[in-house]
Amino acid sequence: DVKVTQSSRYLVKRTGEKVFLECVQDMDHENMFWYRQDPGLGLRLIYFSYDVKMKEKGDIPEGYSVSREKKERFSLILESASTNQTSMYLCASSSATKQGSTIGAQHFGDGTRLSIL
Amino acid sequence: AQSVSQHNHHVILSEAASLELGCNYSYGGTVNLFWYVQYPGQHLQLLLKYFSGDPLVKGIKGFEAEFIKSKFSFNLRKPSVQWSDTAEYFCAAFAYSGAGSYQLTFGKGTKLSVIP
Repeated sequence: DVKVTQSSRYLVKRTGEKVFLECVQDMDHENMFWYRQDPGLGLRLIYFSYDVKMKEKGDIPEGYSVSREKKERFSLILESASTNQTSMYLCASSSATKQGSTIGAQHFGDGTRLSIL
Repeated sequence: AQSVSQHNHHVILSEAASLELGCNYSYGGTVNLFWYVQYPGQHLQLLLKYFSGDPLVKGIKGFEAEFIKSKFSFNLRKPSVQWSDTAEYFCAAFAYSGAGSYQLTFGKGTKLSVIP
């Protein structure tokens, strides 16, 4: 069974802090994703990585950056946290076909509920 | 911008009723389509997916979905729901248009409440 592990279930930080959210997957998946989930808005993609050191912006990348130095680990960074970044953050991983033209089913972590005060 | 629309925000059904949740996408090219479910207090998990071939796909727990290309739709169905199907359901679409250009979008979700 694929396991996607997010480092924290709950996190409280202050405005202006630099925040790191960590995600590790154990299935050697090529793709990793960061989303935020807000009531009534569904899941919105922040960043997507299809290989080590490779990243693509999603729909809402502003105020975030990512790092993928190793295949199994994908970090989301809030450069200077703001109250509108209070949300549930979900990490996912999936396999990919050759050339990246399709993605496999995504496997999700349990989420990190982040509160910015 | 490419989008995924789920028509119903909240659906309430009695047990044994039939279910159909609508999903429309706006991608013009080749698309991979997914339905995910999130049971209360649990993480999202895949119900079913469509990549190519037979447009009627079967998933777990008796769910199925039909891809209708002409209508840009991928509706989720179940003939007879159970109380345990109470959850939030998300439709998602992935498209790759070459040269590293990806689009991956989720709908806003449909909450299903099944009354015993």
